[in-house]
Amino acid sequence: GAGVSQSPRYKVAKRGQDVALRCDPISGHVSLFWYQQALGQGPEFLTYFQNEAQLDKSGLPSDRFFAERPEGSVSTLKIQRTQQEDSAVYLCASSLALRPGPGANYGYTFGSGTRLTVV
Amino acid sequence: AQTVTQSQPEMSVQEAETVTLSCTYDTSESDYYLFWYKQPPSRQMILVIRQEAYKQQNATENRFSVNFQKAAKSFSLKISDSQLGDAAMYFCAGEGNNNDMRFGAGTRLTVKP
Repeated sequence: GAGVSQSPRYKVAKRGQDVALRCDPISGHVSLFWYQQALGQGPEFLTYFQNEAQLDKSGLPSDRFFAERPEGSVSTLKIQRTQQEDSAVYLCASSLALRPGPGANYGYTFGSGTRLTVV
Repeated sequence: AQTVTQSQPEMSVQEAETVTLSCTYDTSESDYYLFWYKQPPSRQMILVIRQEAYKQQNATENRFSVNFQKAAKSFSLKISDSQLGDAAMYFCAGEGNNNDMRFGAGTRLTVKP
């Protein structure tokens, strides 16, 4: 597609419910990133994929968070047993460039995010 | 590791005038990149301008320019001839050798007609 597509755009979950957030990157983009953006804050790094390999998951806040990209294209961020502090916008970005490497972030294209509200 | 600080939660500018958004950062790395992103209500982060730390010349993109003061670790964004469409959240971000991009808390820019 022409851009990074994320679905759903909004998700309301009851506390304790599992959720799955989807990211469709730009076709051919090697790198894929997930960020968490709390209300009134800047995005915080969660995890990074290079093709299907998850090379960095240091930003995942707990073992309730799990991300996958099995075929190196679409990625899913799953949150188990959601809690109120998980409420945030989850942003996905993709890039043609490999990471690490200077300028890998030059080609970041972000999606419009999924706003998750846990009640 | 990098930290990015934006000390202006909100800024306002009159249409057609100039506004400067402030950003300071801290890093122990010698080679890094700095960015300004715009986030409208649609939530999509849009790259406004980028600066390589090794370049002394300030980056410019049409009405957007930066004042990069490396010694002071300052990276401000100047928007000239402000337009209504410039209204958005603006985030300063820094990227080091590990490509772990860090964002500031953002500045909400309002443009008054």
